Order: sequence, then structure tokens, then C-alpha cells
Amino acid sequence: QVQLQESGPGQVKPSETLSLTCAVSGVSVSTYYWYWIRQSPGTGLEYIGYIYYGGRTNYNPSLKSRVTMSIDTSNNQFSLELNSVTAADTAVYYCARGLGVINAFNIWGQGTTVSVSS
Amino acid sequence: DIQMTQSPSSLSASVGDRVTITCQASQDIGNYLNWYQQKPGKAPRLLIYDASNLQTGVPSRFSGGGSGTDFTLTISSLLPEDVATYFCQQYDNFPITFGPGTKMDIK
Repeated sequence: QVQLQESGPGQVKPSETLSLTCAVSGVSVSTYYWYWIRQSPGTGLEYIGYIYYGGRTNYNPSLKSRVTMSIDTSNNQFSLELNSVTAADTAVYYCARGLGVINAFNIWGQGTTVSVSS
Repeated sequence: DIQMTQSPSSLSASVGDRVTITCQASQDIGNYLNWYQQKPGKAPRLLIYDASNLQTGVPSRFSGGGSGTDFTLTISSLLPEDVATYFCQQYDNFPITFGPGTKMDIK
């Protein structure tokens, strides 16, 4: 059974870097596309980007200048960094797995709430 | 970016009703449209992919249709456990975008 679990600080100060990790069990991160998505009451569901084994990435242009994703095959996990955060980055952050080559998210982590405040 | 709209924004229906939600894309997206169900405090759950394909494990009372710019999600006979918010999502063009959601409850 494939499971994803997000981890990271629940609060980040403005202008600092938000760092989250998604631990994957039941399948190797060397397969499939791996995604980050966030959700806030004001913005709804927002695609952040994906990473594929080998380093292929796609980032939402609205966040591209601030986002970095990486894969750690030795620990079977992938990560998100979002720098220069503001209150607008306050959201529930989800990691998710894609449905093969289709950009549908068929397995999700439980989500982690990140609040940006001083 | 492709803009996704949904109607209605909220819906109240009775157990056993046939319910249809619509999703419209701001441009032709072929059949690159997925539907999700989200219950409070939970992550979204994939129901339908590529407009009309039922994801494994999803009850057959859910169905999807449409192509181009106009899509539907239908629940053939509403059950109490279907109380949730439903989202559409396009992946024809990056960035992937989602609809604002349709909140469904039981009368």
C-alpha cells in the first residue's frame, strides 16, 4: 500500500524559507511523478509543481522564482522549498503521486498546515 | 493560465437524487479533466480521470462526461456519504489548475 506523509515546521516567519518533506512508502520515488499542491480558503487548490526521478521538474510560473523541489532516493522521499514566504503562502500543503503519465493525483498525503507569521 | 469554473457553487439534494455538477474551462482542454471529492479535514480523492474514466475503487454511481470546454460529474443516486466538496482539475496546459469547488450537502 502506497502512503505519503508530509513533515515540516507548522510556522514560518515572513521572508524565510518554507521546507517540507514527503516520505514515501510502498513504492520507489524513482518511479512516477511526484507533486506538491496547496490549499487555502482564499486561493483554493493551487498546483505548486512536480518532480520526476532524474531531476525533471515543472513549477507553477506564479511561484517558479521561489520554488525548488528535490528527490532523495536513499531515503525514498522528496522535498519542497519555498523561499521569501509571505502571509499569502499560508496554506495546507499536500504531496501527491501522479497516475502514471496522466497528471491526475491518485494518492495524497494527509496534508500539513503551514502558517506564515512572525 | 486556463481558468476553471464550476456550477453551482453549492448544492443541497436529497438522498437518492440524481445530481449533476458542471465544470467549464476557459479554452478547449480536450478530455484532460479530472474530478476530485474532498471531505472536511481530508485530502482530495480522485474520482474520475480523463473526463470519464472511473478511478479504481470509486463507486459506479459516480460518472463523468464532456469534452472540450464543458464537463459534468454526475452522482446517479446520492448517498449521505457523498456530502463533500467536489473539484475539477485540468491538465491540458501547465500550470495545472483547479475549479473553485462545489459544496454538496443533504437536504
